[in-house]
Amino acid sequence: GQQVMQIPQYQHVQEGEDFTTYCNSSTTLSNIQWYKQRPGGHPVFLIQLVKSGEVKKQKRLTFQFGEAKKNSSLHITATQTTDVGTYFCAGPKGSGYALNFGKGTSLLVTP
Amino acid sequence: NAGVTQTPKFQVLKTGQSMTLQCAQDMNHNSMYWYRQDPGMGLRLIYYSASEGTTDKGEVPNGYNVSRLNKREFSLRLESAAPSQTSVYFCASSGTGVNQPQHFGDGTRLSIL
Repeated sequence: GQQVMQIPQYQHVQEGEDFTTYCNSSTTLSNIQWYKQRPGGHPVFLIQLVKSGEVKKQKRLTFQFGEAKKNSSLHITATQTTDVGTYFCAGPKGSGYALNFGKGTSLLVTP
Repeated sequence: NAGVTQTPKFQVLKTGQSMTLQCAQDMNHNSMYWYRQDPGMGLRLIYYSASEGTTDKGEVPNGYNVSRLNKREFSLRLESAAPSQTSVYFCASSGTGVNQPQHFGDGTRLSIL
């Protein structure tokens, strides 16, 4: 079935540095979703991208969907300690009701 | 507004014991899901129910059964627990149609000795 691969697996940055995580699929995706999971918490939906080349911003977070709809990225500008957590991308599975989650990128921010 | 409620939050079982994890949502969502999360493995789908009355296998269904009791409730049963089923289990729900965002419960931390 469709798989989404995420890199890097871990990232450790100093507060104020930028951070980017990448998500890649071998097949074209109809859409991609991003989730954040704080340590000890549950995944929380951040955003959905649908259109080829789409770029969406949420404050310091910028999400992009590739032109071929096979890759996506999440960029955080000037990280803060509140950004700590694991970021997951997810693509549709089969009929589209279920999702295939990437393995996530765990971000650690040191003050 | 409670969202997705999972019970219990923590459980320790002995190998071979059975257990049912409960999940209920109050958002009038049609679709519900069960995932397990293990270190370095991300979220793996066990079973899902696209709508009341239907269930489908996910990526890792072996050793589990599910019941969509009604629109609100979706339970996960371990008939004979094994140490390999030690994990954090998340229930999620989503609204009508495909490609909907999923809303997760707080999880059940299950240890099998």
